[in-house]
Amino acid sequence: DAGITQSPRHKVTETGTPVTLRCHQTENHRYMYWYRQDPGHGLRLIHYSYGVKDTDKGEVSDGYSVSRSKTEDFLLTLESATSSQTSVYFCAITQGREQYFGPGTRLTVT
Amino acid sequence: KQEVTQIPAALSVPEGENLVLNCSFTDSAIYNLQWFRQDPGKGLTSLLLIQSSQREQTSGRLNASLDKSSGRSTLYIAASQPGDSATYLCAVGEGAILTGGGNKLTFGTGTQLKVEL
Repeated sequence: DAGITQSPRHKVTETGTPVTLRCHQTENHRYMYWYRQDPGHGLRLIHYSYGVKDTDKGEVSDGYSVSRSKTEDFLLTLESATSSQTSVYFCAITQGREQYFGPGTRLTVT
Repeated sequence: KQEVTQIPAALSVPEGENLVLNCSFTDSAIYNLQWFRQDPGKGLTSLLLIQSSQREQTSGRLNASLDKSSGRSTLYIAASQPGDSATYLCAVGEGAILTGGGNKLTFGTGTQLKVEL
């Protein structure tokens, strides 16, 4: 599983509240990614990182921010959660040239 | 913008049958292509990676092919088993992020496979 953990695994929050999801890896991988998975859309890239403090936007970055202050942690923040951000969020890393995924976080915004 | 399509969306086959899952993409200038399986409520498991310079990759009963010029990849599963039941996802990688091997993936919506006894 490439040593990837995500926390929390499940979260229910209210519209307008801030939410931070954490991705943690133990194998010093350089590249880390956040995707969201929604029915009918598949997985879509939100943000990615190519090193400490080095991040960039993906396809669906509006409403999300990220930070990477340590190699092992990549944080995804929803500054003010909306119902459209209800989704399953996956973190991934690159090992070799393959991407490996974490177990996911199911987020519900009510 | 790269678009990835997987047809059919769902497939049901009897145990022991050989089957082919299809993936098509619109921009042939890809970095690589990766096949995943996803079990209900779970994360993604990487099955096979094909680099843009390769034509196929094999792992056990799985064989993936890539034809960049036609924008197609297929995943062949031999002698299917009930344990193969899952959703299979195709993901196309864009050019490398810097030189370290990272790349952004564009996913299809998957083929849901059911292998029946």
